[in-house]
Amino acid sequence: GDSVTQMEGPVTLSEEAFLTINCTYTATGYPSLFWYVQYPGEGLQLLLKATKADDKGSNKGFEATYRKETTSFHLEKGSVQVSDSAVYFCALTEYGQNFVFGPGTRLSVLP
Amino acid sequence: DSGVTQTPKHLITATGQRVTLRCSPRSGDLSVYWYQQSLDQGLQFLIQYYNGEERAKGNILERFSAQQFPDLHSELNLSSLELGDSALYFCASSVAGAGGNNEQFFGPGTRLTVL
Repeated sequence: GDSVTQMEGPVTLSEEAFLTINCTYTATGYPSLFWYVQYPGEGLQLLLKATKADDKGSNKGFEATYRKETTSFHLEKGSVQVSDSAVYFCALTEYGQNFVFGPGTRLSVLP
Repeated sequence: DSGVTQTPKHLITATGQRVTLRCSPRSGDLSVYWYQQSLDQGLQFLIQYYNGEERAKGNILERFSAQQFPDLHSELNLSSLELGDSALYFCASSVAGAGGNNEQFFGPGTRLTVL
């Protein structure tokens, strides 16, 4: 079945550091890919998405590019802030029904 | 605020009991999804309903069941509860029943503790 693998956390960075969270996937078809963010005590929020190969999703300074050849969708941000501290989930869906989520990566940004 | 509401926020019960979790989707959304988030299993998709009909099923136990009512709110019923059922249960909603652009909006979750 479909699966999503994310880098193990927690990731601890200083403010203004560069962030990369790796995500790779396994799917039988051509999935849509998503990054969700979960702040403490809250539900998940969609951060960005990409629906086909070479699409770049971006939001709030975060970016991720759908790489079909490497089955990857790595999340990047050039300069993180303390307010970016959260858990980040990579996810996919092939038909917009059964969503498969990665295990999540906890990010802590220190001032 | 995503527009998705879930009640109750917290629930504490004993093993063997039955509970019902409630979810109201965003206005205009026809699909409701249920997820279980536990420390050891991560976020697991349980089931999806679209306009009152079951659309997709994930890792939902036979002790669990769900339904979506004509006003589109949904309930997740958990019975014969076990300690391992302690988790955060999230509801999400979306406009469509399928499609790669089908963005989900998550509620704040119900934290279930089984003692």
